[in-house]
Amino acid sequence: NAGVTQTPKFRILKIGQSMTLQCAQDMNHNYMYWYRQDPGMGLKLIYYSVGAGITDKGEVPNGYNVSRSTTEDFPLRLELAAPSQTSVYFCASSSAERDIAKNIQYFGAGTRLSVL
Amino acid sequence: LAKTTQPISMDSYEGQEVNITCSHNNIATNDYITWYQQFPSQGPRFIIQGYKTKVTNEVASLFIPADRKSSTLSLPRVSLSDTAVYYCLVYSNYQLIWGAGTKLIIKP
Repeated sequence: NAGVTQTPKFRILKIGQSMTLQCAQDMNHNYMYWYRQDPGMGLKLIYYSVGAGITDKGEVPNGYNVSRSTTEDFPLRLELAAPSQTSVYFCASSSAERDIAKNIQYFGAGTRLSVL
Repeated sequence: LAKTTQPISMDSYEGQEVNITCSHNNIATNDYITWYQQFPSQGPRFIIQGYKTKVTNEVASLFIPADRKSSTLSLPRVSLSDTAVYYCLVYSNYQLIWGAGTKLIIKP
């Protein structure tokens, strides 16, 4: 019963490097989300997707890119990593309730990223 | 645009009832309010959801007054394992608005 799977669990990047955080869900959910959580803080939405081929910006999209070619996968790309992107990244998915506010989100275990 | 406000932290003791309030202005009449629980090194986990009056499930109750400017998560008879961070989430003006979280510490 996998749910939402994120890889890798930990990563250290040098300033200027790029990487892709992987997220996959096996619940056939249409909605997927990427959040970042800085130490001791709440969640901030980076990007979200309402279905394959459709993505939209959240509160803090700068420095990130996403794509959604399949229902299952929603990778997050960091280009030119900066120390400000040091954070824990969570991916989530939810079913496509007509009322988005009613969507219950299921989260992965997170990817802890340090940019040095 | 709605903004949510939660207490930063709370302490309680095993067996007590704990109430955590989230203030949220400018949410629409039918928008749902959702609460999540997060343990260290884990992603948040859904607890309860509602949009008016009172909702109860096997782990918590959610109270929403008529003016919907706040909601209260009630955890009955807490145990040490309820030590976690609790977040409220509202949807307003096409945006998901997360609270900053309330760190709940349960003492023996």
